[in-house]
Parts: sequence; structure tokens; C-alpha cells
Amino acid sequence: GENVEQHPSTLSVQEGDSAVIKCTYSDSASNYFPWYKQELGKRPQLIIDIRSNVGEKKDQRIAVTLNKTAKHFSLHITETQPEDSAVYFCAASIGGATNKLIFGTGTLLAVQP
Amino acid sequence: GAVVSQHPSWVICKSGTSVKIECRSLDFQATTMFWYRQFPKQSLMLMATSNEGSKATYEQGVEKDKFLINHASLTLSTLTVTSAHPEDSSFYICSAGKGYTDTQYFGPGTRLTVL
Repeated sequence: GENVEQHPSTLSVQEGDSAVIKCTYSDSASNYFPWYKQELGKRPQLIIDIRSNVGEKKDQRIAVTLNKTAKHFSLHITETQPEDSAVYFCAASIGGATNKLIFGTGTLLAVQP
Repeated sequence: GAVVSQHPSWVICKSGTSVKIECRSLDFQATTMFWYRQFPKQSLMLMATSNEGSKATYEQGVEKDKFLINHASLTLSTLTVTSAHPEDSSFYICSAGKGYTDTQYFGPGTRLTVL
């Protein structure tokens, strides 16, 4: 079946450094790739997304890149701040015509002040 | 905006009882709603896809008679955990999609504890 692999499972960085989280998907028909941030006990919040017709998207300190050929997509956070500490999930749409998502296993990001 | 609410936020029940969880899209009409289950420190596991006016589509391994889903209107979907047992204790989260776009907006979740 379809799956999404996410690495690393935990990531600790110093405040001001960059953080990179990588995901690999298996369904070649996937065409939508969102990233969610989830703080402890709270709902996942969409932070950025990318569609398959775009290779890169940036929103202030956050950027996402997509390599369709390799079925890889990555989240880049620059100038990290303590409030960036949370669990980050990548996801990929299943099939070309549905809005159903399959999620990665999550990355716990800790930004040390 | 795109606000999704869930009720209740937490519930404790006795084994064998049924629990209903509501998911509402407050400021948009949700053609599709999704129900997820999340165990501590784990990812979101899709349980079922709920479309307004039709039967829910369950993921493999999810018992449809155990987890009853009703999507009676474009703003409300309910998940009923029937004859709950301690192993059903989990964090249940819904999400809603605007029209036929891919973006999903999540509710705040419901923490179910079955004693």
C-alpha cells in the first residue's frame, strides 16, 4: 500500500540554526504535499503545502522543495526559534483525484535557546 | 477562515458504553470530512472518509460497526464509538476539506478514555 517515510524522527538544533526534515512517498499519483505542525495536545496546523506542478515554495522562514522524480519532498526552516519546537508531519495525497492524505511518522523538533 | 470544532474535547466513559464525537466546520461547507486516530507520540492514522449524504469509506482494518460515522450535513460529521473498550482509548481528530480542494483543516481533537 501507499506509505510516507519521514526522517529524522527527532531533531535538535540551536536557536538560529536551520532545520531540515525529509519525506519520501510511494504513490506516483500523489500530487499534493502539506506539512503540519502539532504542538503537544493540540491540533495539527497547516504551515505550508506544495503541489506537484511546483518544485519549491517559500513562506518567510519556511520552505518546501519537491522532487517528483525521486518522490522526495523536504521542509526547511531557517533561523529557528524556540517557538518552532513541535512535532512536524509531512503528508501526501493518495491517488490523483482524491483529497485523502497519508501522513509521515512525524519529527520532533527541539530548538535549544 | 477555516475553523473546525470538535465536541467534546475529552470524555471518560465506562467499558461497554457508546460515545459520540461531533465535528463541525464553523465557517465553511465541508464536502468531505476525515476521522483520524492518534496514539501518544505517533502519527495520525486515517480511520475513514466521510462524505455528506453518503456512507463513509473506512480504511482497511477499521471496523465500521464499531466506529459509526454519520455526515448528515455539510457542516457536521459524527463519530460514534460503540461498546467502547479500554483499547479504544485514544486521541480522535477530525479534519474537513473545503469543497474539492486538497487542504484539510483539523479540529482540536477529542481525548477518549475508556475505563
